[in-house]
Amino acid sequence: NAGVTQTPKFRILKIGQSMTLQCTQDMNHNYMYWYRQDPGMGLKLIYYSVGAGITDKGEVPNGYNVSRSTTEDFPLRLELAAPSQTSVYFCASSFTSGRAKETQYFGPGTRLLVL
Amino acid sequence: QKEVEQNSGPLSVPEGAIASLNCTYSDRGSQSFFWYRQYSGKSPELIMFIYSNGDKEDGRFTAQLNKASQYVSLLIRDSQPSDSATYLCAVMKAQKLVFGQGTRLTINP
Repeated sequence: NAGVTQTPKFRILKIGQSMTLQCTQDMNHNYMYWYRQDPGMGLKLIYYSVGAGITDKGEVPNGYNVSRSTTEDFPLRLELAAPSQTSVYFCASSFTSGRAKETQYFGPGTRLLVL
Repeated sequence: QKEVEQNSGPLSVPEGAIASLNCTYSDRGSQSFFWYRQYSGKSPELIMFIYSNGDKEDGRFTAQLNKASQYVSLLIRDSQPSDSATYLCAVMKAQKLVFGQGTRLTINP
């Protein structure tokens, strides 16, 4: 199993540009999450999904959109990039049942710089 | 008040000593608590989780939970240079993890 994979690893965007961060997991997890991590800070939840077709906002959703058409994929869309979106973005997934669903597995991250 | 608070450090500990990392949380109803380790430039990886009051040991790591005082701690015995990393405390709230800002730990040879 590859686990959770993310592409790209690094990207530079100009202000106002758009892009999609890709996330794929091959563990058949129903739950998937997007976080951002600013320097020296913890992770903040952007969006999450409890299954295909179901998404919900986290703590910091403004400026982002998500979709979940399949169990495996959970892309994050940035529209009209702003310097405040410069961050490292992590995708995570977890099991669906019992206490096991609380253990999240993280992808390697995407480092985004908006200039 | 932040939902999950950690001392950002850096915490410097000599090799072979015990490193003690602390975390407090504000939601008294929280039931699940996690410690993640994050090396510089890498993603977080789960070290331990704890649900019940008391201690939980796993190798050199011990998690301690005191729900009455709303704190959770992580002890690392026989600290090694490879333990140098940022340690993130996380608390489950409404099926979502809330993270502290992390404590940067440095083990000095």
